[in-house]
Amino acid sequence: GENVEQHPSTLSVQEGDSAVIKCTYSDSASNYFPWYKQELGKRPQLIIDIRSNVGEKKDQRIAVTLNKTAKHFSLHITETQPEDSAVYFCAADRGKSTFGDGTTLTVKP
Amino acid sequence: KAGVTQTPRYLIKTRGQQVTLSCSPISGHRSVSWYQQTPGQGLQFLFEYFSETQRNKGNFPGRFSGRQFSNSRSEMNVSTLELGDSALYLCASSEESGANVLTFGAGSRLTVL
Repeated sequence: GENVEQHPSTLSVQEGDSAVIKCTYSDSASNYFPWYKQELGKRPQLIIDIRSNVGEKKDQRIAVTLNKTAKHFSLHITETQPEDSAVYFCAADRGKSTFGDGTTLTVKP
Repeated sequence: KAGVTQTPRYLIKTRGQQVTLSCSPISGHRSVSWYQQTPGQGLQFLFEYFSETQRNKGNFPGRFSGRQFSNSRSEMNVSTLELGDSALYLCASSEESGANVLTFGAGSRLTVL
C-alpha cells in the first residue's frame, strides 16, 4: 500500500520567516496531494492541494511543489504569522488518502 | 450548507464493550471516510464508503466495521473495545470517491477504560 513520510515532525520559526515541510510517497499511482492544517482542538482543514499533472501551485503565502519523478512534494509558507501555528498533514491519494504523521509548526512572535 | 456532523462528540466506554459512531456528511456528498487519530500516529485510514458500498479499507482488525445508508449517513462500529482504541475518530465527506477534497467533522473522542 501507499506509504507517506513527512519531515520534519516539529518546526519552529520566527514570525516573518519561511517554513518548508516535505513529504515523500511510495505509490506512483497516487495522483492527488492535499495539505491539511489542524489547529489545536479543531478539525483538519484543507489549505492547498495539487494534482499530479501540475508541478507547482500557489495561494497567497502558501505554495506546494510536486516532483513526480522523485515522488516528493513540499509545502512552503512564506512570511509566517503566529496564526500559522498548527499541525500540518500531507496526504497522497490514489483512491484513498494516506496521511503523513504531521508536522507541528510553531511561529514565534 | 451544514458541515459534517459527528455524534456523539465524547464518550467513555469500558474494555469489552462496543460503540457506534455516527457521521452525517455535507448534503450532496456521497463519499464518507473514517480516520483514527492518536497522538504521534497521525491520521490512520479506517474505511471509505460510497453509495452504500465500502470502497476501501485500511489495516484495522475486523472489530472495526462500518456502513453507509441511502441518505449517505455513515456509522462505524467497534466491538470488544480495547484500551488502545482510545482515540479521536474523524469522519470526512467528499463529493465523489477518491482524489477529492475531504471535509472533516469535529470528531468523536472515545476513551476506553
